[in-house]
Amino acid sequence: AQSVTQPDIHITVSEGASLELRCNYSYGATPYLFWYVQSPGQGLQLLLKYFSGDTLVQGIKGFEAEFKRSQSSFNLRKPSVHWSDAAEYFCAVGVLTGTASKLTFGTGTRLQVTL
Amino acid sequence: EAGVVQSPRYKIIEKKQPVAFWCNPISGHNTLYWYLQNLGQGPELLIRYENEEAVDDSQLPKDRFSAERLKGVDSTLKIQPAELGDSAVYLCASSLGGAYSEQFFGPGTRLTVL
Repeated sequence: AQSVTQPDIHITVSEGASLELRCNYSYGATPYLFWYVQSPGQGLQLLLKYFSGDTLVQGIKGFEAEFKRSQSSFNLRKPSVHWSDAAEYFCAVGVLTGTASKLTFGTGTRLQVTL
Repeated sequence: EAGVVQSPRYKIIEKKQPVAFWCNPISGHNTLYWYLQNLGQGPELLIRYENEEAVDDSQLPKDRFSAERLKGVDSTLKIQPAELGDSAVYLCASSLGGAYSEQFFGPGTRLTVL
C-alpha cells in the first residue's frame, strides 16, 4: 500500500526567507504526487501536481516541487516566503483506481511565518 | 464559479445522537468524495461516488456511517449514533472525473461530539 511521510510537523521561517518542505512517499509503481495547502477554516487547495515528464513542477503562488525517484521524494520549495503563506501543507500520493485517483495524504506540515 | 459547498460548518452534539452533513459539489462534477480529517492528520477517504454510484466505500465504517448521493448531485453523510471518537472535520470534494482530474475541496464540517 502507498504511504506518505512528512517528517516536519512544524516549521517556522522569516518572511522573505526560502522554504523547503519535505515529502517522502512509498509506492511500488510510478506515483502521482500532489501538494495541497489548507488555511484555517478552509478546504484544501491544490498547489501543484506531478504525473510524468519534467521532474521540476511549477505551481501556483510561486511554489515549485521536484520529483526525485532515487530518493522517493517530492519536496516543495519557495524562494521567498510571504506572511500569507502561513498554513498547513499536505503532500499526497495518488493511485489510479478505476476512473479516478485515490489520494493518500501525509500528516501535514504547519508553516509559521515570522515578520 | 461557486466552489464546493458544505453545511453546517460546525456541529456540536451529544454522543449517541445522529448527525448529518450535506455537500453540494461544483456544477458538472460527476465524482464526489467524502474525507475524514482528524486533528493533526491528513484527510482520509471515506467514500467516493461516480454520479450516484458509490464506487469505493471500503473505508466507510458501515455500522454507523451511511452516505447517499441522490440524482448524482448533492450528497449527505450520516452518522448514527455518533461516538466521541467521531469528533473531526468532514471534508467533501468533487472533480470532473477521470484519472487526472483535480479534486476541489469544500471548507469542511467540524464535528464535536460531547
